[in-house]
Amino acid sequence: EADIYQTPRYLVIGTGKKITLECSQTMGHDKMYWYQQDPGMELHLIHYSYGVNSTEKGDLSSESTVSRIRTEHFPLTLESARPSHTSQYLCASSEQQQATSGQDTQYFGPGTRLTVL
Amino acid sequence: AQKITQTQPGMFVQEKEAVTLDCTYDTSDPSYGLFWYKQPSSGEMIFLIYQGSYDQQNATEGRYSLNFQKARKSANLVISASQLGDSAMYFCAMRELQTGANNLFFGTGTRLTVIP
Repeated sequence: EADIYQTPRYLVIGTGKKITLECSQTMGHDKMYWYQQDPGMELHLIHYSYGVNSTEKGDLSSESTVSRIRTEHFPLTLESARPSHTSQYLCASSEQQQATSGQDTQYFGPGTRLTVL
Repeated sequence: AQKITQTQPGMFVQEKEAVTLDCTYDTSDPSYGLFWYKQPSSGEMIFLIYQGSYDQQNATEGRYSLNFQKARKSANLVISASQLGDSAMYFCAMRELQTGANNLFFGTGTRLTVIP
């Protein structure tokens, strides 16, 4: 099971501010993911990474950007926060580099609840 | 079209009773995996159980079992001997190996409330 950490857990910020949501995992997992979840709704993939220097956009269009300079670290940045960005952001990681196994279980961090005023 | 459908927005179960949470899926990919996650009010997503499309037997993990009916494209979660701590949102998810190997497609979730 992955140990995966997200900071901050809660963030309230004003419109126009630049923010970075941190995500780190200690299991050496190659693949990492960012999901966005509105209250009581399903999760939508916004970014993922196969490994260092690899980043891809997910199904849900997002104004955020990500980077993967180190295996364990996958931060998400919003250059100019807006109220429409208010949501919960969940980071996940999984072990297998090759998508040859169906399981490839994703383990999630505790999430960051972002509120933009 | 929705890839994962959970038709029960909310379910109630008496403590110590069993409960079934429904999940149907839609895919043309012959290779896929099905997952159930639990999300307590604290917000984290906790992996519960996995079923592969080629698995012959239904998956079980402790009090959790997955009733996999491939022809009906259903993957219902059965929780036996419900406990108060089982109260949470439950999400069914699917991963398609051949078409979209990285995404987990999630359903809208079922909120389970365990009554003492």
